[in-house]
Order: sequence, then structure tokens, then C-alpha cells
Amino acid sequence: DQQVKQNSPSLSVQEGRISILNCDYTNSMFDYFLWYKKYPAEGPTFLISISSIKDKNEDGRFTVFLNKSAKHLSLHIVPSQPGDSAVYFCAASIGENNDMRFGAGTRLTVKP
Amino acid sequence: DGGITQSPKYLFRKEGQNVTLSCEQNLNHDAMYWYRQDPGQGLRLIYYSQIVNDFQKGDIAEGYSVSREKKESFPLTVTSAQKNPTAFYLCASSRGTDSPLHFGNGTRLTVT
Repeated sequence: DQQVKQNSPSLSVQEGRISILNCDYTNSMFDYFLWYKKYPAEGPTFLISISSIKDKNEDGRFTVFLNKSAKHLSLHIVPSQPGDSAVYFCAASIGENNDMRFGAGTRLTVKP
Repeated sequence: DGGITQSPKYLFRKEGQNVTLSCEQNLNHDAMYWYRQDPGQGLRLIYYSQIVNDFQKGDIAEGYSVSREKKESFPLTVTSAQKNPTAFYLCASSRGTDSPLHFGNGTRLTVT
């Protein structure tokens, strides 16, 4: 049973516009959430994280929003750049175990 | 230069043979992980280890085995009991609780 879900397999946006990637989770015990970026034939690289005590975390062009009541998080990229084109994974973990569960990924394409 | 090294990048085996994938880290991280990526399914957790000489099963441990004799090393053996071993395997490490995972560049295993 997939505990972390990314329901949009792909997203295409124009350069300079906002990209919004969404993620839903089912396990209310998750308390640490992350976004990773991945290029083909490489390992994912960490982008940004948020703990369950916050509802927003910002790092440059990247902002993660967490809505605990809806069990939903999103990643906003503003402005989007062609170099942002990659597969984005959301992930979540519970406390001490840090045994992270990942969504299926969303392929973002930013068109020049 | 600190990081995670997975070797080899590509591995080919005949059906019925066991094969061991190597993962070494020099980040001095306590926790290490193995994930499997299949198309459209994201990353699925196979095994993880939070400390030397201890490891736990993830969501898809059947047909796999691991050892953690040294902090730096977490090899994964894909046994002949694994029904669909062909996949992209990713190793990761982290400092522990509420810390992002750092990934290697993966090993693509093909079993024919």
C-alpha cells in the first residue's frame, strides 16, 4: 500500500512561470517531509524539507507547503527555469526510524 | 570528496544466480538504506540499517539480504528467490532522525 502518492506523472510549464508539484500521504504518523530532484541514471538529490511543526519552508526559488489536516504537501518553484526539468519525488518519514517512503514521482518539463 | 559510491554502474546476471551490489559511504553517517526503482513506481524501500550490526526490513525485503559489518559499507545481495530482480538499485545514507538521505548514483541490474 503506497503511503505517499504523487498523482500527476507529469507537468509542463513555461519558463518564468510557477511550477506547483503536489503530494498526498495516508499515514498521519509521518512527521518529516522532503522533496528530491532526480535526473536519469543518477541518484535523487535533496532539495528542501519541512517538519510537521511547520506549514511552510522556503529556500530561494523553492517553497514547500504542508497541510497536515489534508495530509497534503506541495512544492512551488518560482520562477521556473529550463534547468529545473527533472523528476521530482516527495518523501516522508516517521521519527527515529527515518525509514523514508517515496512517491512515484512527477516529471517536470520547463519550456524555454 | 565525501559521498556514496555504488559499484558497478551496470550489472548483468543469469537467472538463478545470486548477485551482490556494493555500497560504500565516507560521510560518517550512521544510517544506510537500499531502495529499488521501477518505472512508474518511484522508490521502494528494501532494507535499512540505523547502526552497525543491525538492520530492518523495508516494504519489499523478500528475495534480498544485507549485512552491516562496518559503518561505511552496506552491501545488498539479490538472491535467486527474488522474482523480478531487474531494476535500478539505489543506496543512501543519512545522519539519522529528521535528516535527508544522500544517494549514490545507482546500479542497474539486468537478469536474463
